[in-house]
Amino acid sequence: RKEVEQDPGPFNVPEGATVAFNCTYSNSASQSFFWYRQDCRKEPKLLMSVYSSGNEDGRFTAQLNRASQYISLLIRDSKLSDSATYLCAVTRRFSGSARQLTFGSGTQLTVLP
Amino acid sequence: SQTIHQWPATLVQPVGSPLSLECTVEGTSNPNLYWYRQAAGRGLQLLFYSIGIGQISSEVPQNLSASRPQDRQFILSSKKLLLSDSGFYLCAWSVSRDAGFTQYFGPGTRLTVL
Repeated sequence: RKEVEQDPGPFNVPEGATVAFNCTYSNSASQSFFWYRQDCRKEPKLLMSVYSSGNEDGRFTAQLNRASQYISLLIRDSKLSDSATYLCAVTRRFSGSARQLTFGSGTQLTVLP
Repeated sequence: SQTIHQWPATLVQPVGSPLSLECTVEGTSNPNLYWYRQAAGRGLQLLFYSIGIGQISSEVPQNLSASRPQDRQFILSSKKLLLSDSGFYLCAWSVSRDAGFTQYFGPGTRLTVL
């Protein structure tokens, strides 16, 4: 079983739609959670951290469910510019207090006009 | 503010040739540094990470190596490239603090081995 799993998609949605992505992780000791956005042929960019109580940034809402070991990302009122691949990431410790991220393989989103 | 640089941006190399990719970080000290590879249409594979000068850990055994000669410099090398080494190579940095952890990526080097 992969450490972090995502539905690869693709998700094709019309402008204005609401779309949700889920990501499951296998290591119950994972401590921090993130969503990254990666545009075609570009580097991943941090979209938002995911906090235990859930958090919102404009049209984006992230949720964490530790009991079921998954995180989610909800995008409301989709824009054409939201088209990208969305990567979830979770941390694990590798040296003392240092940590590293394990990434899911990404979910591709295309917002259609 | 912190910035991360990678060069070259693109590279085409023949099989069997050597490789050297460089990454530098500005605006922070003692960062954790990482090399990832992303093959076409695939996820991010962590290759190496470093928590300090001269300290390198490998995640996946292969014909690549990494070095950290200075605090904010991270180099990925190979003596002889394979076709399977083609991909998008990303350097990343992070600072771990009790308050949190965040990782940022450089612009990447797209390597094609022919």
